[in-house]
Amino acid sequence: GAVVSQHPSWVICKSGTSVKIECRSLDFQATTMFWYRQFPKQSLMLMATSNEGSKATYEQGVEKDKFLINHASLTLSTLTVTSAHPEDSSFYICSAKLWGLNSPLHFGNGTRLTVT
Amino acid sequence: DAKTTQPNSMESNEEEPVHLPCNHSTISGTDYIHWYRQLPSQGPEYVIHGLTSNVNNRMASLAIAEDRKSSTLILHRATLRDAAVYYCIPVGGSRLTFGEGTQLTVNP
Repeated sequence: GAVVSQHPSWVICKSGTSVKIECRSLDFQATTMFWYRQFPKQSLMLMATSNEGSKATYEQGVEKDKFLINHASLTLSTLTVTSAHPEDSSFYICSAKLWGLNSPLHFGNGTRLTVT
Repeated sequence: DAKTTQPNSMESNEEEPVHLPCNHSTISGTDYIHWYRQLPSQGPEYVIHGLTSNVNNRMASLAIAEDRKSSTLILHRATLRDAAVYYCIPVGGSRLTFGEGTQLTVNP
């Protein structure tokens, strides 16, 4: 089955620093990947759609200069949280789609970010 | 995006069937109905999806109403490992947006 690997699984950083999260599709090529954020006891919130070779599309209210997304290859997308603050502490989850409009999404296991 | 309505929570006993309902009355004619579940501290997991006909796979069955305004995810024999939040999502394009889902508790 399709596997999406996310790294790191957890990270603690100091306020003001930047953190990079990687999302890889291990056994398939993904032209489109998605980034979600989830606060405790809440549902997943779509942050952005990452397209290989082009700029990401951000959801309303998500700062593109703060959450930098790079999708340089068909198997790797990265999310960089720049100048992190404690309110950025959250569970970040990536997902990727097999080719085909109605293919299901496959999700990584998430990255728990804690900003101190 | 089509809106969905799911019960906040449901309970089941182990080895009994579970029927998880979802209303999606604003679904468009070409939207597929996807179901995902999320265990604590993990990313969501794909369960099943369908368009009009009922669908079965090794994890579950999906019953879709004839008017497509609702669907039901059926777990034939619940196990403790099925305790999770279940999300029903109409999908018309690439984007998947999650509602609040149903927290399923499975009692031993």
